[in-house]
Formats: sequence, structure tokens, C-alpha cells
Amino acid sequence: GAGVSQSPSNKVTEKGKDVELRCDPISGHTALYWYRQSLGQGLEFLIYFQGNSAPDKSGLPSDRFSAERTGGSVSTLTIQRTQQEDSAVYLCASSLIALNYGYTFGSGTRLTVV
Amino acid sequence: AQSVAQPEDQVNVAEGNPLTVKCTYSVSGNPYLFWYVQYPNRGLQFLLKYITGDNLVKGSYGFEAEFNKSQTSFHLKKPSALVSDSALYFCAVRDRDGANNLFFGTGTRLTVIP
Repeated sequence: GAGVSQSPSNKVTEKGKDVELRCDPISGHTALYWYRQSLGQGLEFLIYFQGNSAPDKSGLPSDRFSAERTGGSVSTLTIQRTQQEDSAVYLCASSLIALNYGYTFGSGTRLTVV
Repeated sequence: AQSVAQPEDQVNVAEGNPLTVKCTYSVSGNPYLFWYVQYPNRGLQFLLKYITGDNLVKGSYGFEAEFNKSQTSFHLKKPSALVSDSALYFCAVRDRDGANNLFFGTGTRLTVIP
């Protein structure tokens, strides 16, 4: 597609429920990243996919967080048993394999856990 | 380890005046450096990058940034601010020989006063 598409744009969920956030990267971008933006915070790296390589999960804050990328394209970030501190904007970005091209970000999913 | 510091949470400048948004970084090797801008309710947009070569980099919307290796800085500048420049600005760094993900600063909110 023309840009990075994320869905839903907003999600309100009850504490303890599971949520899935979707990212559809730019066609041809082999690298895909998930970041979290909390109020007053910078962007917190969560996970990185590059082609068929094993993902870099070093930024996932707990084992309640997981992500997958199917067919080297669409990615899903899953948060199990959501907590109020998970409330944030979740941003997805994609890039060409060479990082010096920089990222293209989606508009994000605003997650609110009540 | 990689890190980025944006020492000012908020910068206010009068329309027509020059603006500077500060960024310093820390990497073990040579850096790739980026600036992104986030307008209200929008995703992050790429502004400019330093990869190699000329230390003065020009980007979108009349912005520029100067890479200063001795001061490990990459300050964002614009000669004449516009009200429409009001947004949240993020500096980001990657070590060329390090992890593939970008490390972002906490952001600086720029307000241009008419």
C-alpha cells in the first residue's frame, strides 16, 4: 500500500482482556518495527522483524506481549491480560532493509485499558 | 549502548524567529541520526537524516540539522518559524554497527507563537 496502515485506530478494552493490534507495512519493506508511545514518554522499542530472521524481541516489557509477522508482511501485536499501564499509543513502522532509509510510521493504535 | 537526550520538553518561539530543538546522542560507534515530527493525532513523519558526508543536512519544510561529532549533537534548526511548525519533535539514533532499531528521545514540544 501507499503507507503503513494500522488498525484499529482506537481500542478501549477492559482490564484482563486480550487485544490484537494490526499493522500492514508498505509493500516491499522487509523490516517492521513496533514501538509504544506513552503520555510524557518517548518512543519505547518493542520488537523488530527483518525478513525471515528471528525477530528481535528485546524490547517487549513482559511475557504478556507477543507479536508475529505472517508471510513477511502483516504483523499482529498481541497483549494478553491487559493492564492499565498498557494504555498507550502503539506505533508500527516499516523500512527497507537498509536502515539508513529511515522508517515510515503508521498513525498508531490508541489503546485504553479501563 | 545507545541513547538520545532531548533536554527541553518544551520550546516556545515567536513566528518568524529562528528555532532550535536540541538533541545529543550516545553510541559506541558511528551514528545514523534522524529527526521525526508528530503533528496532533498523526503518526510520526520523517524530517531529515544524517548518514555520512556533509555535516549540515537539509530536510523537509525548511528544516536543517547539523551533525557535530565532537559535541555528539544533532540539533534541529529552522531560520524562520511558522505557526504550522508547532508539533512534537523526536530525535533518533542508531549505531551503524549495533542493533537495527532506532532509539528515540523523549520528544520536544515546539510551540510557535503568532
